[in-house]
Amino acid sequence: QVQLVQSGADVKKPGSSVKVSCTASGGTFSTDTISWVRQAPGQRLEWVGRIMPMPGPTKFVYNYAQKFQGRVSITADKSTKTVYLELSSLRSEDTAVYYCARDFGLCSNSNCAMDYWGQGSLVIVSS
Amino acid sequence: EIVLTQSPDTLSLSPGERATLSCRASQTVTSNYLAWYQLKPGQAPRLLVYAASTGASGVTAKFSGGGSGTDFTLTINSLEPEDVAVYYCQQYARSPRTFGQGTKVEIK
Repeated sequence: QVQLVQSGADVKKPGSSVKVSCTASGGTFSTDTISWVRQAPGQRLEWVGRIMPMPGPTKFVYNYAQKFQGRVSITADKSTKTVYLELSSLRSEDTAVYYCARDFGLCSNSNCAMDYWGQGSLVIVSS
Repeated sequence: EIVLTQSPDTLSLSPGERATLSCRASQTVTSNYLAWYQLKPGQAPRLLVYAASTGASGVTAKFSGGGSGTDFTLTINSLEPEDVAVYYCQQYARSPRTFGQGTKVEIK
């Protein structure tokens, strides 16, 4: 059984950065692709990006939603089975619950369903 | 991008009734790459159906998906209080993967 455990809630000032973590257990981290999805208050779920591990200790392939290009960075540490989402130049519209999730099954290019999800990390951007 | 529109926004039914949720896409969802998720407050989202009609591992047969092209449905048989949640459809046929706005299922 795959489990994804995320970091806790965080409050940030506009213009700053936030880093959210997601630690996996029970799966095959060396081959599992992890996506990040967020949900702002009253809004639909929104895919942010994903990280796909490649052979070797530090090799990954990244895909980001165009909307977040230049502001988002997804990294991972295979030794601790942890994936990180860092979002910079925060604004109030970035206030949301951020979820990590494992990409699953047959995909179309970098687009997949997601079978296991973390519990969510609330990020509040407020002055 | 593909826009998904779910209907109704809220569905209020009595225990034991059948719930039928709709998800309409602005473009054809090729290969029926459509999934359904259940979200309960404070919990991790749960995958129910993928490839439009394939039940996810560990999901009871009370949840079933159908449809193709641009019109998809999720059916919940014999509604129980534990089924109260918001249900989202998601397409993964084209970039970016997108979600519907959700249907809230309530018990009368």
